[in-house]
Amino acid sequence: KQEVTQIPAALSVPEGENLVLNCSFTDSAIYNLQWFRQDPGKGLTSLLLIQSSQREQTSGRLNASLDKSSGRSTLYIAASQPGDSATYLCAVAPPGQGGSEKLVFGKGTKLTVNP
Amino acid sequence: AAGVIQSPRHLIKEKRETATLKCYPIPRHDTVYWYQQGPGQDPQFLISFYEKMQSDKGSIPDRFSAQQFSDYHSELNMSSLELGDSALYFCASSPSEAAGELFFGEGSRLTVL
Repeated sequence: KQEVTQIPAALSVPEGENLVLNCSFTDSAIYNLQWFRQDPGKGLTSLLLIQSSQREQTSGRLNASLDKSSGRSTLYIAASQPGDSATYLCAVAPPGQGGSEKLVFGKGTKLTVNP
Repeated sequence: AAGVIQSPRHLIKEKRETATLKCYPIPRHDTVYWYQQGPGQDPQFLISFYEKMQSDKGSIPDRFSAQQFSDYHSELNMSSLELGDSALYFCASSPSEAAGELFFGEGSRLTVL
């Protein structure tokens, strides 16, 4: 059974710092890995999607990497801003029937960026 | 750009009542997924539909049912509500020809009293 772990569970940093959020998964047979952002009581906003054949994706100040063989992904946030404060969730999709059913989520990293 | 629309955004019900949540996927997305996120928990997959047929099933209680209609919108019906059903219910959609990226709605918050 696929399990996704995110470390740390919470992180507090001063504004402007570069930071890394970690995600690990137990079964390397994945279709893709997706990073989401969730504000309190709100929906999930997709940040980056990495296909199993890819090693990284970039969007603005965000960079996500994937090492499928070791079951790890990292989300790098450059020059953090108070508006980045949110919970960041990592989710993996198993292979098979389109691959994107049954996303397995980690419990998230709650990020606080202090002005 | 159009996003996934869920209604209602908030719903309060008594125990043993019935609730129906609706989801309108992004236009031209033919696959819909339902997830449940309890307080302080990660989202858990409930059920998915592709082209109006159930495509996969997760940890959905027998008291819950769902369907996808001809216009691709989906409804999640929940009966005999229990206190533990209080959660944020997310709908997500994706186009089947794309590489598996899910787009989530804002969620429907169900509170069972």
